[in-house]
Amino acid sequence: EAQVTQNPRYLITVTGKKLTVTCSQNMNHEYMSWYRQDPGLGLRQIYYSMNVEVTDKGDVPEGYKVSRKEKRNFPLILESPSPNQTSLYFCASSLRWGVLGLNTEAFFGQGTRLTVV
Amino acid sequence: AQTVTQSQPEMSVQEAETVTLSCTYDTSESDYYLFWYKQPPSRQMILVIRQEAYKQQNATENRFSVNFQKAAKSFSLKISDSQLGDAAMYFCAYRGAQGGSEKLVFGKGTKLTVNP
Repeated sequence: EAQVTQNPRYLITVTGKKLTVTCSQNMNHEYMSWYRQDPGLGLRQIYYSMNVEVTDKGDVPEGYKVSRKEKRNFPLILESPSPNQTSLYFCASSLRWGVLGLNTEAFFGQGTRLTVV
Repeated sequence: AQTVTQSQPEMSVQEAETVTLSCTYDTSESDYYLFWYKQPPSRQMILVIRQEAYKQQNATENRFSVNFQKAAKSFSLKISDSQLGDAAMYFCAYRGAQGGSEKLVFGKGTKLTVNP
């Protein structure tokens, strides 16, 4: 089954304690990205990756890191979490945009509810 | 930068009736994709329907259809014969290639309530 798997689904942590949210996809997608969802703001992109070893900042990258060492995995790292990073996080993957008519829909993980106290 | 606007924070509809959710967007690109995603209480993001900008024909998926007006930059979602399971947050999203980021740009969402 084609899917994007995020772990954990729920996480409560304390300020300053490093954490990693994992994301893995089994569809051989080149493009992967992280979004955060906050009430009244929709989803905003944090980081994205076009392919292995190629990553770049999205709209709200401060306080986050990512890596793309393998095509299937794209972990999100919070080196020193703060309460303003309390949010719902989504990982997504898709084919690269480009060929008109090619299905470029994004497949989303189940979401990670992060609370930083 | 592209923006997506959903002007209706909340909508309600009676079961079996029809409802239309509005979405407008701003872009200078000629080629792009538009999507409607549904987010039920489970939080899962589920693709409802997609539209390629180069296609003039409006997309349909069973009870879901869109009214895509490219010149007006409008992309509304019509849900026919509404069911209780349609209750969810609905997000309109744009995907282009400007700047190479290819990101999805989301509206702020419309919360749809379906009344029995």
